[in-house]
Amino acid sequence: DTAVSQTPKYLVTQMGNDKSIKCEQNLGHDTMYWYKQDSKKFLKIMFSYNNKELIINETVPNRFSPKSPDKAHLNLHINSLELGDSAVYFCASSQDRDTGANVLTFGAGSRLTVL
Amino acid sequence: AQSVTQLGSHVSVSEGALVLLRCNYSSSVPPYLFWYVQYPNQGLQLLLKYTSAATLVKGINGFEAEFKKSETSFHLTKPSAHMSDAAEYFCAVLSLGYNKLIFGAGTRLAVHP
Repeated sequence: DTAVSQTPKYLVTQMGNDKSIKCEQNLGHDTMYWYKQDSKKFLKIMFSYNNKELIINETVPNRFSPKSPDKAHLNLHINSLELGDSAVYFCASSQDRDTGANVLTFGAGSRLTVL
Repeated sequence: AQSVTQLGSHVSVSEGALVLLRCNYSSSVPPYLFWYVQYPNQGLQLLLKYTSAATLVKGINGFEAEFKKSETSFHLTKPSAHMSDAAEYFCAVLSLGYNKLIFGAGTRLAVHP
């Protein structure tokens, strides 16, 4: 069983469209994250939720809206897609919000290509 | 603010040779440090972490890293490279108070026969 699963794995879409990426973890973790990896492989945190509560919101355009229906799911919705949104988006989870004591388990990534 | 710098975006070694991937950190408080590996088309996997216990940390797949406060370094080593070690390696520091990992730019390790 995959611990952190993301769908879709690949997503190709036109500029201006709205798309969603889903993430689910079956580890019983309380905290979930979205990271963005750009074309230069640079990884940056976007959001973090702890027990459905938003705890980290980096300076991400408000076209990006995370939603956590329960602590096992953290979905990412993106409105009005732009070329610069093309990247690999990684979902991750940790046992709780103290990542010093716990480690992050990452999903396999969702590669978004905006044409 | 905490940050990490990985020296060398690409490192190439021969199979059986020593692997040394460099990471320097910046932190005003004792840091928590991590090394992650990313194989092609996969997510990140934890190799090892330093959380203020022993300064020499052993991880999976024969990797280890040594925390050196005087040099603000946390370099990753492996005595003998395997072809299967070819991947992207990321050093990261925990941003205390914000509960988020800050990653370095990554080092791509190539292993040739």
